[in-house]
Amino acid sequence: SQQGEEDPQALSIQEGENATMNCSYKTSINNLQWYRQNSGRGLVHLILIRSNEREKHSGRLRVTLDTSKKSSSLLITASRAADTASYFCAINENDYKLSFGAGTTVTVRA
Amino acid sequence: DTAVSQTPKYLVTQMGNDKSIKCEQNLGHDTMYWYKQDSKKFLKIMFSYNNKELIINETVPNRFSPKSPDKAHLNLHINSLELGDSAVYFCASSQISDRGYTFGSGTRLTVV
Repeated sequence: SQQGEEDPQALSIQEGENATMNCSYKTSINNLQWYRQNSGRGLVHLILIRSNEREKHSGRLRVTLDTSKKSSSLLITASRAADTASYFCAINENDYKLSFGAGTTVTVRA
Repeated sequence: DTAVSQTPKYLVTQMGNDKSIKCEQNLGHDTMYWYKQDSKKFLKIMFSYNNKELIINETVPNRFSPKSPDKAHLNLHINSLELGDSAVYFCASSQISDRGYTFGSGTRLTVV
């Protein structure tokens, strides 16, 4: 089954810098979602972008979607130590299935 | 609090044992899921249930048997546990596909 593939696998940045991670997928999607997972915790939904949308914002998060390239990016601006987590993109193929990749581990250094 | 809650949080058991993980959501969602996260953090869907009905069984061994007594509960029973079953199991729920999923905090299963 298809899943998102995140790039890079790991990212280390200084507090205040921006963090960008990318997601690629293979087939048609209903929507694409981004989640955050803090160490030892469950996943938290961050943002959903529909297949007919190109860009969405939520606070310091900006997500883009390019369906022609089958790719998405998540930008976290002005990062904080609390942003240290793993970030997953998830592909929604149908009403009952969300497929995840292995995530990008982001470390924000104080 | 509105949430997805799963118990237990940790489970250590010997190979060959049978164990259950319980999940409950009070969000009024129609659809519930079980996911398995391996040691490399890769999340794989196992089952989807909609209004107590099995929708997706993602080629999971039949040692894994989900049960949904009502749409607010989705339990996972695992027979004859194997070392490879060691992972973190997440329950999740959603209302419709146009919204995000709400995840529980996970059950870390260790088979020794």
